[in-house]
Amino acid sequence: DIVMTQSPDSLAVSLGERATINCKSSQTVLYSSNNKNYLAWYQQKPAQPPKLLIYWASTRQYGVPDRFSGSGSGTDFTLTISSLQAEDVAVYYCQQYHSTPLTFGQGTKVEI
Amino acid sequence: QVQLQESGPGLVKPSETLSLTCTVSGGSISPYYWSWIRQPPGKGLEWLGYIYYSGTTNYNPSLKSRVTISVNMSKNQFSLKLSSVTAADTAVYYCARHISSSWYVESWGQGTLVTVSS
Repeated sequence: DIVMTQSPDSLAVSLGERATINCKSSQTVLYSSNNKNYLAWYQQKPAQPPKLLIYWASTRQYGVPDRFSGSGSGTDFTLTISSLQAEDVAVYYCQQYHSTPLTFGQGTKVEI
Repeated sequence: QVQLQESGPGLVKPSETLSLTCTVSGGSISPYYWSWIRQPPGKGLEWLGYIYYSGTTNYNPSLKSRVTISVNMSKNQFSLKLSSVTAADTAVYYCARHISSSWYVESWGQGTLVTVSS
């Protein structure tokens, strides 16, 4: 299984400041045949299902604000919220879909 | 826009079988992949398995012997059965849709809490 490890477990950021979440996979999630990283990011607010933010490590899902961006390749990835808004308070998860079983990071709680 | 809705008992006794159904509306079961994902209270996400609309399945090895996922195209539904449950299976269970064979989750159900208790 590919183990996904996020850091930090939680962080507090002031409104308008940058938030950075890291995700490391135990094996590469990059397929050399198509040069794509099989890595997604989700946002989960209390009592709601997760919401897809980013796929292919850096492609923003339709309707997701451009303050959310994803970067990285191979085994190391980052989700950046460029200017934190009050509605961004949530838990964020990374997920690899390079191979089954599909696996998620443990989550990072973002607070103000 | 596709909508997914989980349904089934909210309470299951230990050693019994948990059964849930996901009803898909606003779209067809084909030609997508469909998963069950669970989240114990206050914890992270665990993928249980997926089914392709044709019936091909792939299960998490950690649960493989206990999990069965099936599809009913005529009803636009797919289902989960988890046998021999224990308290550790208490969780919110989500049904989810993937786009083709790119297994990120594009759509989620609202989730249903299943508690295992006598």
